[in-house]
Amino acid sequence: EVQLVQSGAEVKKPGESLKISCKGSGYSFTSYWIGWVRQMPGKGLEWMGIIYPGDSDTRYSPSFQGQVTISADKSISTAYLQWSSLKASDTAMYYCATRIASLTFDYWGQGTLVTVSS
Amino acid sequence: QSALTQPRSVSGSPGQSVTISCTGTSSDVGGYNYVSWYQQHPGKAPKLMIYDVSKRPSGVPDRFSGSKSGNTASLTISGLQAEDEADYYCCSYAGSYTSVFGTGTKVTVL
Repeated sequence: EVQLVQSGAEVKKPGESLKISCKGSGYSFTSYWIGWVRQMPGKGLEWMGIIYPGDSDTRYSPSFQGQVTISADKSISTAYLQWSSLKASDTAMYYCATRIASLTFDYWGQGTLVTVSS
Repeated sequence: QSALTQPRSVSGSPGQSVTISCTGTSSDVGGYNYVSWYQQHPGKAPKLMIYDVSKRPSGVPDRFSGSKSGNTASLTISGLQAEDEADYYCCSYAGSYTSVFGTGTKVTVL
């Protein structure tokens, strides 16, 4: 059974750094793209970016290029989303998801709530 | 990449059919047969309902169907049920391994 388990909720201050994680199991982690989706409070889904853990090829939406960094550690089947300097506007639920059957996200993590507040 | 355009809301009575549109461009919806649809209930992760324009994942009722014409994709829910009340998002492949979501549609069962 494919499972994506994300790290727990975070409360941070503006300017702080953060790295959240997503551990995959039940499938070949290195063989399928895994990505991140943002959902700000009361708003819609936004496609952020995606990484192929097999060779770390990474693609970003233009809206998120330079704002976040996506990485993966294939030795522990875990993908990451990180910020070097958080802003209040980064407050959102972040989902990881993987593409297995097609060029779409078919399996999703449970979400990680990130709250940035002074 | 701009978000795909969806109606803000649609509604229908139990048993009726509703259709949600998703309009993009030739660089996304119109350029590829990789449109998917997600259902999201409040406080829950999105659930894949349709992929590759019209394919249903295992376990998704056949009341849900998808289609595409030109730069517009559509999701139809036939025989609307109370549990179908949720937010629905389309998503299209946009080349170079990237994708773009729609603006989202709230489906209300009257």
